[in-house]
Amino acid sequence: DAGITQSPRHKVTETGTPVTLRCHQTENHRYMYWYRQDPGHGLRLIHYSYGVKDTDKGEVSDGYSVSRSKTEDFLLTLESATSSQTSVYFCAISDYLNTGELFFGEGSRLTVL
Amino acid sequence: GESVGLHLPTLSVQEGDNSIINCAYSNSASDYFIWYKQESGKGPQFIIDIRSNMDKRQGQRVTVLLNKTVKHLSLQIAATQPGDSAVYFCAENPTNFNKFYFGSGTKLNVKP
Repeated sequence: DAGITQSPRHKVTETGTPVTLRCHQTENHRYMYWYRQDPGHGLRLIHYSYGVKDTDKGEVSDGYSVSRSKTEDFLLTLESATSSQTSVYFCAISDYLNTGELFFGEGSRLTVL
Repeated sequence: GESVGLHLPTLSVQEGDNSIINCAYSNSASDYFIWYKQESGKGPQFIIDIRSNMDKRQGQRVTVLLNKTVKHLSLQIAATQPGDSAVYFCAENPTNFNKFYFGSGTKLNVKP
């Protein structure tokens, strides 16, 4: 399995609080992604990174920000969590631009009350 | 976002039979497609991919077929095993190599 660690794996928080999810990789892969998974929607891309300090938006980026200060870490921040952000969040990595062979982490389940 | 859908949300097959999971996509500009498998409580796992210059690609016990005329993708699993029970997603890459659009998934149940 690819060396991807997500933390925390489970979190319950209240509306309006900030939340940060961390993705840590030991593969030295260039590309990192954050997806959310919801019933009926499959996986939807939030943000991705193509290098240190280089990030771009996905299809559902509103309400989320990301940062990547080191190759191995990609942080997803919810500045003010809302109930609509209750979801399972997956981090993924890849080494090449032109590939769908993404390696996913185990997921982080976030519940916003 | 892009429309990537599936014909059947749940598929039940007998162990040893072949399984066929279907997927429709809407963007004719998509040139790269991927199938993923997701077991309960785990992240998705890459199975196989295919580019638009091909109409068939085979892996170990899996075959992906691409019909660009009707914008349809299918995943065939030969001699389905209990370990194949999972949710299967197709994904397409329309214009930006960094952005993949996933379907909502098909759950495959393998009956012993």
